[in-house]
Amino acid sequence: QKEVEQNSGPLSVPEGAIASLNCTYSDRGSQSFFWYRQYSGKSPELIMFIYSNGDKEDGRFTAQLNKASQYVSLLIRDSQPSDSATYLCAVTNTGNQFYFGTGTSLTVIP
Amino acid sequence: AAGVIQSPRHLIKEKRETATLKCYPIPRHDTVYWYQQGPGQDPQFLISFYEKMQSDKGSIPDRFSAQQFSDYHSELNMSSLELGDSALYFCASSLGLYAEAFFGQGTRLTVV
Repeated sequence: QKEVEQNSGPLSVPEGAIASLNCTYSDRGSQSFFWYRQYSGKSPELIMFIYSNGDKEDGRFTAQLNKASQYVSLLIRDSQPSDSATYLCAVTNTGNQFYFGTGTSLTVIP
Repeated sequence: AAGVIQSPRHLIKEKRETATLKCYPIPRHDTVYWYQQGPGQDPQFLISFYEKMQSDKGSIPDRFSAQQFSDYHSELNMSSLELGDSALYFCASSLGLYAEAFFGQGTRLTVV
């Protein structure tokens, strides 16, 4: 079982819609959870981080963490074509390793 | 704001050669992570350092070694290069463990 798993893409949403990205993790002791955006050939860019159960909002982005169910999600409201990228979920487990999911490719259709 | 600096940005080496990749973390960051990302793949954790000590080890081949120096920069040494080592190598830094990590622009290594 992989440390971090993401829902398979690609995901396509029309401009202005809500994009929902999901991620599950295997280490129940994981403490830190991150969402990165990566454009092709570029380095991952931190979008959101969350440490506590519940929701965390930052502009059009909302991260949701449920430690009991071991999942973390990212909602993107009012999706824009510039949001088209691969979104990587990352989790810091009890071994202090930063594990990434396989990424979900998002395409926002104008 | 200062970011993570990696050098070189591009590197071409022949099989069986040696390569050294450098990473300069964000000032005051004491934790460095190294990742390898092949085409179409997610970043694979190689190794990490916290306060100049190895923090954890992932899928790093025995041909590779790394260290973090007193000024917190880190170097990844890769020997006996193979064609399969061709990838993007990212370095990330954070202030302490469990904190958000910021990535450098990466070094694209091509082994021919």
